[in-house]
Amino acid sequence: NAGVMQNPRHLVRRRGQEARLRCSPMKGHSHVYWYRQLPEEGLKFMVYLQKENIIDESGMPKERFSAEFPKEGPSILRIQQVVRGDSAAYFCASSRIDRGLGTEAFFGQGTRLTVV
Amino acid sequence: QKEVEQNSGPLSVPEGAIASLNCTYSDRGSQSFFWYRQYSGKSPELIMFIYSNGDKEDGRFTAQLNKASQYVSLLIRDSQPSDSATYLCAVTRTNTGNQFYFGTGTSLTVIP
Repeated sequence: NAGVMQNPRHLVRRRGQEARLRCSPMKGHSHVYWYRQLPEEGLKFMVYLQKENIIDESGMPKERFSAEFPKEGPSILRIQQVVRGDSAAYFCASSRIDRGLGTEAFFGQGTRLTVV
Repeated sequence: QKEVEQNSGPLSVPEGAIASLNCTYSDRGSQSFFWYRQYSGKSPELIMFIYSNGDKEDGRFTAQLNKASQYVSLLIRDSQPSDSATYLCAVTRTNTGNQFYFGTGTSLTVIP
């Protein structure tokens, strides 16, 4: 049973380009979460999605950032016109639809985005 | 007020000692509580979760939950240098779906 898969692991973009980060949840998981982490800082929540639905995007900047989780295929976090401040590690996590007590979320290995 | 608060540390303990990591949460509706470990440059990995008042043990790890005080802790017995990492506390409440609220983490160093 494969874990949460993120790709690419490392991504280098020039200022002004677009970055697309992909996350395939664990088998049987239909909830996906995206977090950003700057060096030596904590996880910062960005967006929480179900298939074809954004549940909470309160942590995502209003401009340049968007996320989707289509019926088929991975979840995509898209950053348009990247700037140096977007350089960070982006982590995806997934959980089951069961909202019972102790429904865990598991993390992927992350995508390290560097904007040059 | 932050959803989840942790002392950032760093916390240093000698090898073989008990490390005690603490976390408080603001919403009494919080129902499930998770501890994750994150090594430098790596992704968070789940250690354990708890949702009932009291203690839950898993190997060298014990999670403790006190809902009245809105407090959850993680004890690591017989600490090893390999336990040196940042420990993240997270809570969920069902009225926000299965949204995870993370603290900023406590850095633990186990000194050989």
